[in-house]
Amino acid sequence: KAGVTQTPRYLIKTRGQQVTLSCSPISGHRSVSWYQQTPGQGLQFLFEYFSETQRNKGNFPGRFSGRQFSNSRSEMNVSTLELGDSALYLCASSPNAGRSTDTQYFGPGTRLTVL
Amino acid sequence: TQLLEQSPQFLSIQEGENLTVYCNSSSVFSSLQWYRQEPGEGPVLLVTVVTGGEVKKLKRLTFQFGDARKDSSLHITAAQPGDTGLYLCAARYGNNRLAFGKGNQVVVIP
Repeated sequence: KAGVTQTPRYLIKTRGQQVTLSCSPISGHRSVSWYQQTPGQGLQFLFEYFSETQRNKGNFPGRFSGRQFSNSRSEMNVSTLELGDSALYLCASSPNAGRSTDTQYFGPGTRLTVL
Repeated sequence: TQLLEQSPQFLSIQEGENLTVYCNSSSVFSSLQWYRQEPGEGPVLLVTVVTGGEVKKLKRLTFQFGDARKDSSLHITAAQPGDTGLYLCAARYGNNRLAFGKGNQVVVIP
């Protein structure tokens, strides 16, 4: 089975621009979660989607948004980029919706640099 | 404040030595997971512990869940360079969100 794929792997943007990141989950997985990873804050939860519905949202400003399509693929959008948005954005998929023992299968991430 | 506190943040040891890293919280969890992340990759699940006091072994890695289900430890016996990586503990809280600690960066020197 193919793993979680994320595109693009690297991205450089300037302040004020917007960006869209894409995630394709493992085939058959219906839950997709997004995380932001920085050296200072570590891995922080952004949001979780299951069957095209946002089930959970972390403590991030409204500039961060996402969606999930009927084929479970997900996109994340960040508008009006700030320097502090520079981070590794990780997508993870799982078969079910947020059970405490579920395994999160992570993609390799998208490295976003904001100049 | 961080829900899960991991210590030490950074640990460098020689090949063959033993090490223990910790994940602590003031909250009680129904389960706790450990992941390992290598450079350029996403985290990979190592283990899930569910029962207070539970001990799980994965080759040379031993994971323990505290009796009160607030903390966990990871012990590596005879560390090898392939054990190098960022070890992350994770647990669900609040509205079933998944929280991660900041990680234990382990470097094993050949």
